[in-house]
Amino acid sequence: LAKTTQPISMDSYEGQEVNITCSHNNIATNDYITWYQQFPSQGPRFIIQGYKTKVTNEVASLFIPADRKSSTLSLPRVSLSDTAVYYCLVVSSSGSARQLTFGSGTQLTVLP
Amino acid sequence: EPEVTQTPSHQVTQMGQEVILRCVPISNHLYFYWYRQILGQKVEFLVSFYNNEISEKSEIFDDQFSVERPDGSNFTLKIRSTKLEDSAMYFCASSAPAGNSNQPQHFGDGTRLSIL
Repeated sequence: LAKTTQPISMDSYEGQEVNITCSHNNIATNDYITWYQQFPSQGPRFIIQGYKTKVTNEVASLFIPADRKSSTLSLPRVSLSDTAVYYCLVVSSSGSARQLTFGSGTQLTVLP
Repeated sequence: EPEVTQTPSHQVTQMGQEVILRCVPISNHLYFYWYRQILGQKVEFLVSFYNNEISEKSEIFDDQFSVERPDGSNFTLKIRSTKLEDSAMYFCASSAPAGNSNQPQHFGDGTRLSIL
C-alpha cells in the first residue's frame, strides 16, 4: 500500500482558494488518488479522485503531475463550512474489494 | 443522491453483551465494508464483503466480530461479547463494481458505540 504524507493542519480565510498537497512517492501503476472530507461525528465523504493530469468536479479540482508522486487538492473560494479533515488516499484498482487506509489527514480551518 | 444509512446512531451497551450494528448500503452496490474510528484516532479498516463472503479483514476483526447480509438490503456487524475498547464510531461503506475504473467507497454517518 502506498504511503501518503500531507500537512497536519492548514488555516485559510473565507473566499480564498485552498491547496492541500499530498505526497505518495511509491504509488503503483494501478493506483488511483482519492480525497475524502470528514466533519466531526460524520463519516468520510468522497470528494474527488483521479489517476493523472487534472480532474474537476462541482466542489474541487485535483492536480496530478506526470510522475504521479504527489497530488494537490484545490478547493476554490472556501467557506466556514469547509472546515474539516481532508484525507488523501491511494487506492489500488486491482483486486475486488479494496480496503482504504486512512492517515491522520489535514485539518483545514477556515477563518472568517 | 443515494446514501448509506446506519442504525442506530448511538448504541450504549454493557460490557460483555452482544451488539448488532445495521447498515443499508446504496442499492446497486455490491461491495460492503466496515470501518471504525476510536475518538481522536484514524479511521481503521475492519472488513470487506462481496458475494456473500468476507474478502479481506484486518487484525482488529477477530473472532468476536462477524458480518452478515441477512437479506437483499441490510449489512450487519455483530460484536459477540463487547469490551470497553470496542467503544468507537463504526462506519459502514459500500461501492459499486469496479468495471474499468476505481469506484469510490461511500460512507454512512456511523454508529457511535459506547461500552459501559
